[in-house]
Amino acid sequence: DAGVIQSPRHEVTEMGQEVTLRCKPISGHDYLFWYRQTMMRGLELLIYFNNNVPIDDSGMPEDRFSAKMPNASFSTLKIQPSEPRDSAVYFCASSRDSAYGYTFGSGTRLTVV
Amino acid sequence: LAKTTQPISMDSYEGQEVNITCSHNNIATNDYITWYQQFPSQGPRFIIQGYKTKVTNEVASLFIPADRKSSTLSLPRVSLSDTAVYYCLVGDRRGQAGTALIFGKGTTLSVSS
Repeated sequence: DAGVIQSPRHEVTEMGQEVTLRCKPISGHDYLFWYRQTMMRGLELLIYFNNNVPIDDSGMPEDRFSAKMPNASFSTLKIQPSEPRDSAVYFCASSRDSAYGYTFGSGTRLTVV
Repeated sequence: LAKTTQPISMDSYEGQEVNITCSHNNIATNDYITWYQQFPSQGPRFIIQGYKTKVTNEVASLFIPADRKSSTLSLPRVSLSDTAVYYCLVGDRRGQAGTALIFGKGTTLSVSS
C-alpha cells in the first residue's frame, strides 16, 4: 500500500492566487481528514469526510477555504484567494474509524508570499 | 470532546525509559485513548491505543488506571531516533459526527546521547 498520497509536496504562491491541494486516501478507508499545522496553532482539524460526505467543516477558517471529495479515492482542499497567513503544512489523513489509526500523508508545505 | 493535558517538553538520555503522562479528567465512557508520534517534516504516526488497564505493542506500552482520568505512555530504552512530538488524544470510536480526533500541542521529547 502506498499510503496516503498528497500533492504537491511544496507550493509557493503569490497572495491572491488560487491554491489546490490534493489527497489520495488509502483504499478502503471510509474517513478522510484535512489538518493544518503551524508553529503557533499546532495541528488544527479543518474538515473531515465519511464515505465522501463532509461531516464536520467547523474548522475551516473562512469562506476562502473549500474541500471536496468527489469519490472515495480523491479529495481536494482549495484556497481562493490565498493569503500569507494561510502559510502552513497541510496534512491529509485517512482511517477506517473516526477515532482510531489515522494514516497521515507527508503533507503539503504551502507558502503564500 | 474530552480535553487532554500533557507536559510541553521532556528530556531524556539514550537507554532510559520515558514515561509521558496525559490527563483527561472529562473522558467519556465511550472514549478511547490514543497516542501519536510526529517527527519533523512528517505527519503524525499512530503509536498505540487503549481503553483501560494496559496495552503493549512492539513500540510502547500504555497504562490506564481504573478511573481512566489519565494515561501514561511508556517508551522503553529510548534512542536518539525517538526524539519527536508525542500527542495524547481521546475520541469516541462509535463513528458519530463530530468525533474526529483533535490534536493538542503534544509533548516534545528530546533524547540526548
